[in-house]
Amino acid sequence: NAGVTQTPKFQVLKTGQSMTLQCAQDMNHNSMYWYRQDPGMGLRLIYYSASEGTTDKGEVPNGYNVSRLNKREFSLRLESAAPSQTSVYFCASSELPPLIRPEAFFGQGTRLTVV
Amino acid sequence: AQTVTQSQPEMSVQEAETVTLSCTYDTSESNYYLFWYKQPPSRQMILVIRQEAYKQQNATENRFSVNFQKAAKSFSLKISDSQLGDTAMYFCAFRGTSGTYKYIFGTGTRLKVLA
Repeated sequence: NAGVTQTPKFQVLKTGQSMTLQCAQDMNHNSMYWYRQDPGMGLRLIYYSASEGTTDKGEVPNGYNVSRLNKREFSLRLESAAPSQTSVYFCASSELPPLIRPEAFFGQGTRLTVV
Repeated sequence: AQTVTQSQPEMSVQEAETVTLSCTYDTSESNYYLFWYKQPPSRQMILVIRQEAYKQQNATENRFSVNFQKAAKSFSLKISDSQLGDTAMYFCAFRGTSGTYKYIFGTGTRLKVLA
C-alpha cells in the first residue's frame, strides 16, 4: 500500500520555467491538499480539493494552479516559477466524514529550488 | 478563521527526560480534531497522536500523551523518556468538522534530544 506518492522528490528550476508536481493516493480518499513548507512558517495551504470535481484556494494560491484529474490524482502547476516559490511542497489526502481516521496522510515532499 | 499557535520555536531535552511542547488554537467550532505530527530529517510527516474534541479523555500513544484543555483551547504534547530518535520538528494541527475540512498547522517546534 503506497499511500500518497509525490513526484519528483527534488527539482531545480530557472526563473520563468514551468513545471507540474504530481500526486496520487491509493487510499480511496475524497479530499486532497497541496501545502508548502517554509522555515518558521509551518505548512501553509496552497489549494485543496474537498472531493473529486472541486478545487478551492487556500492561504497562498498566487502563482499556482491545480487539477483534480480524478479521485486518485491531484497535480500542482507552477506556470512561471519565481524564487519566492522555492520551498518544500507536500501533497496530502484525507477522508470525508464520517471519519474513521481523521488525520491527513502526506507524501514524501518535493524540494523545489528556483534560481 | 481558525488559527494554531506554537510559541516555542526550539526546545532541547536530555535523553530519558520528559518534555512538553505547547500548542494553542482558536476556533468557534464545538467539535473538531487536533493532531501532533513529527517531521524527522527525512522530511516525512508522521502522525504522533490525535485528539477528538468531544472526547474528554486525553489521548495517549506509548511515550506520547496530550493535555487537552478545551475551554482554554490548549493542546500540549508530552514526551516521556525522550529518545534520540525523537529529535525532529513537531507540528500541531487542527481540523474542523464543518465546512471545508482544511487542516491548519502551527509554525512548528524543533526538538533536539541531547545524549
